[in-house]
Amino acid sequence: AQKITQTQPGMFVQEKEAVTLDCTYDTSDQSYGLFWYKQPSSGEMIFLIYQGSYDEQNATEGRYSLNFQKARKSANLVISASQLGDSAMYFCAMREMYSGGGADGLTFGKGTHLIIQP
Amino acid sequence: NAGVTQTPKFQVLKTGQSMTLQCAQDMNHEYMSWYRQDPGMGLRLIHYSVGAGITDQGEVPNGYNVSRSTTEDFPLRLLSAAPSQTSVYFCASSPGRAGAYVIEKLFFGSGTQLSVL
Repeated sequence: AQKITQTQPGMFVQEKEAVTLDCTYDTSDQSYGLFWYKQPSSGEMIFLIYQGSYDEQNATEGRYSLNFQKARKSANLVISASQLGDSAMYFCAMREMYSGGGADGLTFGKGTHLIIQP
Repeated sequence: NAGVTQTPKFQVLKTGQSMTLQCAQDMNHEYMSWYRQDPGMGLRLIHYSVGAGITDQGEVPNGYNVSRSTTEDFPLRLLSAAPSQTSVYFCASSPGRAGAYVIEKLFFGSGTQLSVL
């Protein structure tokens, strides 16, 4: 079974609308972290937001927020007031404290290609 | 403000050739790692290191070697390149502490586009 599932291969959204990118995860660890990265067409990986499994509040960073629903194992990224520059690939990733060996690394989803239309 | 530096940015190899992808970070990070990115597959972990002299395998280690003689450098070696190794390679680091269980964001290099003919 995939550990990170992103069910939206591609999305088209009108500029200034809010966007929700879906991410579900699978882990038996109690301690884990969830990350979102943005990859524009230039190719670099840009960190957007982080949510720890014990964090009670949803993480927010500027226009980005993470809708964390622990019981449903869901960590959706919400982008408010989308801009043309938000067009990119978006990756959800997880790091497990114990199942992944602690220092192992991030497990990535396959990504969602978001295109913002004017 | 160098962060994580990868060289080269692009490389074309013939099947069977060997080469080393370089990765250096100037943030004194203990943890370093290599990922490959293939279309439709996301990023997959190749090898990682939690400090100088300590390396371990990730999800897809076959065909790759690594070493970590200094905190700053973490080169990835392809001993005999194969077309299946055509990919974009990313080096990433985080502060980490050797042997410690911490969850931190990764700082990525800009990537190396490798083609094996």
